[in-house]
Amino acid sequence: AQSVTQPDIHITVSEGASLELRCNYSYGATPYLFWYVQSPGQGLQLLLKYFSGDTLVQGIKGFEAEFKRSQSSFNLRKPSVHWSDAAEYFCAVANGNNDMRFGAGTRLTVKP
Amino acid sequence: SAVISQKPSRDICQRGTSLTIQCQVDSQVTMMFWYRQQPGQSLTLIATANQGSEATYESGFVIDKFPISRPNLTFSTLTVSNMSPEDSSIYLCSVDFEDNVRYTFGSGTRLTVV
Repeated sequence: AQSVTQPDIHITVSEGASLELRCNYSYGATPYLFWYVQSPGQGLQLLLKYFSGDTLVQGIKGFEAEFKRSQSSFNLRKPSVHWSDAAEYFCAVANGNNDMRFGAGTRLTVKP
Repeated sequence: SAVISQKPSRDICQRGTSLTIQCQVDSQVTMMFWYRQQPGQSLTLIATANQGSEATYESGFVIDKFPISRPNLTFSTLTVSNMSPEDSSIYLCSVDFEDNVRYTFGSGTRLTVV
C-alpha cells in the first residue's frame, strides 16, 4: 500500500529565508504527487501537482517541488518565505485507482 | 479542474442532533469522496459515493452514522448523525478528475459539536 511521510511536524523560518518541506512516499509505480496548503479552519488549497514529465514542478504562490524517483521524495521549496505562508502543509500521493493518501502535515511558522 | 462548493462553511451544533453537508460540483463527475479532518490531524477518507449506488465506507465509518446521498453526477450530501463532541472536525468533499485521481477539494465544513 502506498504511504506518505512528512518527517517534520513543525518548522520555523524567518521571513525572507528559504524554505524546504520534506515529503517521502512509498509506492511501487510512478505516483501522482501533490502539495496542499491549509490555513487554520480552512479547506485545502492545491499548491502544485506532479503527474508526469518535468520533475521540477512550479506551483502557485512561488512554490516549487522536485520529484526525485531515486529518493522517493517530493520536497516543496520556496526561495523567500512571506509571513502569509504560515499554515499547515500536506503532501499527498495517489494512484490511478482512486487511492489517495495524505501525510501527517507540517506546520510552518514564520518569524518576523 | 472542477470547482467544488460546500455548504455550510461552518456550524455549531448541539450533541444528539444531525447536520447535513452539501457538496456541489460545476461539472459531472463519476465519483465523489468525503473526508474528515479532526483537529490537528491529517485527512481521513470516510466514504466514496457513486451516483446511483450506495456509498462505500472505509474501515471505522458506518452508514448509520454518516449517511451519504448521491442523487446525480454533480451533487452529494454527507450527514453527521447523532453528533457528539468527538465529531467536531472539518469535513471535506473531493471529486475524481484527470486519470481517476482526485485532487480538488471543497472549501470544507468546520463542525463544532457542543
